[in-house]
Amino acid sequence: DAGVTQSPTHLIKTRGQQVTLRCSPKSGHDTVSWYQQALGQGPQFIFQYYEEEERQRGNFPDRFSGHQFPNYSSELNVNALLLGDSALYLCASSRTLESSYEQYFGPGTRLTVT
Amino acid sequence: LAKTTQPISMDSYEGQEVNITCSHNNIATNDYITWYQQFPSQGPRFIIQGYKTKVTNEVASLFIPADRKSSTLSLPRVSLSDTAVYYCLVGDSLSGGYNKLIFGAGTRLAVHP
Repeated sequence: DAGVTQSPTHLIKTRGQQVTLRCSPKSGHDTVSWYQQALGQGPQFIFQYYEEEERQRGNFPDRFSGHQFPNYSSELNVNALLLGDSALYLCASSRTLESSYEQYFGPGTRLTVT
Repeated sequence: LAKTTQPISMDSYEGQEVNITCSHNNIATNDYITWYQQFPSQGPRFIIQGYKTKVTNEVASLFIPADRKSSTLSLPRVSLSDTAVYYCLVGDSLSGGYNKLIFGAGTRLAVHP
């Protein structure tokens, strides 16, 4: 059983560009959450998707948007990239009906903005 | 969600027991305590979750006193591979799948030979 997968592994973009990151959840999971982790800090919650809708959102600007597909996979889009967007972007999946804080994280996408 | 405070870093040696304490003075009645582990360049991994007293699994034990204002993650007989960042999180598990994880800076554990 494949766990959470993310693509690409690494990405280098220029300021002002747009980027799309992809995530496939663990089999049987229906909820996908995205986190941003700057170097030396803990992950910060961006938003969460369930039933193809954004259910919760953290303190991130509208430049950050997402999508969830019928097969539960998800995309994170970031527009007008800033140098400060350089970070490890983590995707985590879970099952909505489970009352647990156990989320399964992917290996992340390392985004570098130059 | 309740704010947590934990040591920035800890050092230990192989074979020792490591206890990492987390303070959460404002924990609410419905809040659960969860610990995650993160290795460099990897996503966090769930270790253990508890509400009160003691919880044990194959990886660690979690001790929660009666007032629940703190908790201690205990790692028995650590090895070099336990070198990682450990995060303590507190949140309302009764909200079911609405699990927005709020991470702090975590505790960097270094295990030495």
